[in-house]
Amino acid sequence: QITLKESGPTLVKPTQTLTLTCSFSGFSLSVSRVGVAWIRQPPGKALEWLALIYWDDDKRYTPSLESRLTITKDTSKDQVVLTMTNMDPVDTATYYCAHTHSSTWWAYWGQGTLVTVSS
Amino acid sequence: DIQMTQSPSSVSASVGDRVTITCRASQGFGPWLAWYQQKAGKAPKLLIYATSTLQSGVPSRFSGSGAGTYFTLTINSLQPEDSATYYCQQASAFPFTFGPGTEVDIK
Repeated sequence: QITLKESGPTLVKPTQTLTLTCSFSGFSLSVSRVGVAWIRQPPGKALEWLALIYWDDDKRYTPSLESRLTITKDTSKDQVVLTMTNMDPVDTATYYCAHTHSSTWWAYWGQGTLVTVSS
Repeated sequence: DIQMTQSPSSVSASVGDRVTITCRASQGFGPWLAWYQQKAGKAPKLLIYATSTLQSGVPSRFSGSGAGTYFTLTINSLQPEDSATYYCQQASAFPFTFGPGTEVDIK
C-alpha cells in the first residue's frame, strides 16, 4: 500500500526558506521509473506542479519557480525534501507530494500540508 | 508551457443527469491527459489517465475522450457523491500544467 505524508512548518515569514519533507512507504525511490512530485494549491485556486525527482536523481522544476526550488531525495529514509527560498505571501498554499511510476500523472497523493506565509 | 483551459467553470446538475466538462490545450499533444476529482479539503483523486483509461476503482459512469487540443470528461448518471471540482492535467511535457478546474454541484 502506497502512502505519502507531507510535513513541515505551517507558518513561515516572508523572505524565509521553506523546507518540506515527504515521507513515504509502499515503494522505493531506487526502483526504475519511480518518481515523487510536489504540487501546490493556493486556497480556492487551481493546482500547480512544482517539481519532480526520479529514481535516477533526474530533477525537473517548473520554470517560473526554478530559481527558488530544490528537490532532493534520501532513499535510505524514504523521504523527498523540497526547499523553496524567499517565501512570499503569494506562496501560501497547500503543498502536496505525489507518487508516479512509469507515467506523468499521479495516482497516489499525500494529504497535503497548508503553509501560510505571513509576518 | 502548455496552457490548459476548462469549461464550464461551474455546473449545477441533477442526480441522473449527464455532465460533460471540456478541457482545451494551447497546443496539441498525444493522449497524455489526466483528469482528477477533488473534494473539499481533500487531495485530488486520479480518475482517468491517457485521455480515456479509467483508474482502478473509479466508477464506470466516468469516461474520457479527446485528442490534440480538445478533451472531455463525461459523468453519466450523476450521483450525489460526484459533487466536487474536476481538473484536467497535461502530462505530455514539462512543466506539467493543470486546468483551472470545473466545480460540479448537485441541484
